[in-house]
Amino acid sequence: DAGITQSPRHKVTETGTPVTLRCHQTENHRYMYWYRQDPGHGLRLIHYSYGVKDTDKGEVSDGYSVSRSKTEDFLLTLESATSSQTSVYFCAISEFQGFDGYTFGSGTRLTVV
Amino acid sequence: AQKITQTQPGMFVQEKEAVTLDCTYDTSDPSYGLFWYKQPSSGEMIFLIYQGSYDQQNATEGRYSLNFQKARKSANLVISASQLGDSAMYFCAMREGRGADGLTFGKGTHLIIQP
Repeated sequence: DAGITQSPRHKVTETGTPVTLRCHQTENHRYMYWYRQDPGHGLRLIHYSYGVKDTDKGEVSDGYSVSRSKTEDFLLTLESATSSQTSVYFCAISEFQGFDGYTFGSGTRLTVV
Repeated sequence: AQKITQTQPGMFVQEKEAVTLDCTYDTSDPSYGLFWYKQPSSGEMIFLIYQGSYDQQNATEGRYSLNFQKARKSANLVISASQLGDSAMYFCAMREGRGADGLTFGKGTHLIIQP
């Protein structure tokens, strides 16, 4: 049973259309994160959340917005997708007790054409 | 300045040999943690090992060990007795403070194990 799931796993969309990616967790962790992965860049933080309705910007937040209305769901929205947002998107969760580990979802491959 | 630097974009290693993947970091926070993740071709991020800045001993997890040299700000991953299944991308990452704002990743090292 995966404690974190991302949907969809793959998506192709057209430039200018809105896109929403979903991250769902069953671990009741407080912190949730959205990263994007591009060749030569590793993973870069887009937005993160430290509780319901509490979010903040990461390193590459331009063109993205997020919402967290429930502990278990963290949504990433591209208001008007551009080709530069073609990437693999990872969600991660964390709860800061002892080890401070981070668990990643399986990723969403988004292609903007 | 980059917070996490991985200087080896790619490495080829013979099976059964030990492998050292380099990672240097930059932070002024006295409390931090260093992580290594493996990403096989299937794409998932697999946690390997963690080292806290206050940990006195180097972390070990099975065939993985972390060579933590605090004064040099390095946190190299050592894989003993490499296997073909170790072929993957490897990422070093750091959390600063309590890490509420997530991890900072290096650009990764692509490790290929040759038979």
